[in-house]
Amino acid sequence: QVQLQESGPGLVKPSQTLSLTCTVSGVSISSGGYYWTWVRQHPGKDLAWIGNIYYTGTTFSNPSLDSRLTISVDTSKNQFSLKLSSVTAADTAVYYCARGGATAGKLDYWGQGTLVTVSS
Amino acid sequence: DIQMTQSPSSLSASVGDRVTITCRANQRINSYLNWYQQKPGKAPKLLIHTASSLQSGVPPRFSGSGSGTDFTLTISSLQPEDFATYYCQQSYSTPYTFGQGSKLEIK
Repeated sequence: QVQLQESGPGLVKPSQTLSLTCTVSGVSISSGGYYWTWVRQHPGKDLAWIGNIYYTGTTFSNPSLDSRLTISVDTSKNQFSLKLSSVTAADTAVYYCARGGATAGKLDYWGQGTLVTVSS
Repeated sequence: DIQMTQSPSSLSASVGDRVTITCRANQRINSYLNWYQQKPGKAPKLLIHTASSLQSGVPPRFSGSGSGTDFTLTISSLQPEDFATYYCQQSYSTPYTFGQGSKLEIK
């Protein structure tokens, strides 16, 4: 069974870098066929697509975050990661990792989500 | 970015009712439209992909239709566990944008 689990600090100071890792089990990232995706949800708000990565390292990012965003993959650990630099309170959100279909783009498996608060 | 607009933003209905939620894209997205259900404190759950394909394990009372710019999600007979927020998402071009959500509440 495919499972995803986010991990990382729940509190980040303003201007610092938010770092999260998603550990995937039940499927090998390096088997291909999927884009590994980050989505966030501001408290009480709608969902926002952050970006994704293929096992080859090809990434697609939301232009609104592109200058601050790094998405990477570690196939040896079956993990992918997100780094968002120069964070502000506006980056406070629940961050989800998910598996995205390579063709239709559907997000069929999700992690449980992790709340990251940006505050001094 | 492609803008997705859902209507209504909220609605009240009773168990057994038939409910329809609409999603409109501001440009053509063919059939690259997905629907998700989200309950409080939980991750979204995929219901429908490519506009009308039922995701494995999802009850057949859920259905989707549409192509181009206009799409609908229909729940044929509401069950108590269906009260949640529903989101559409386009996967035609990145960034893959979501609608603002439609909150379905018990009447």
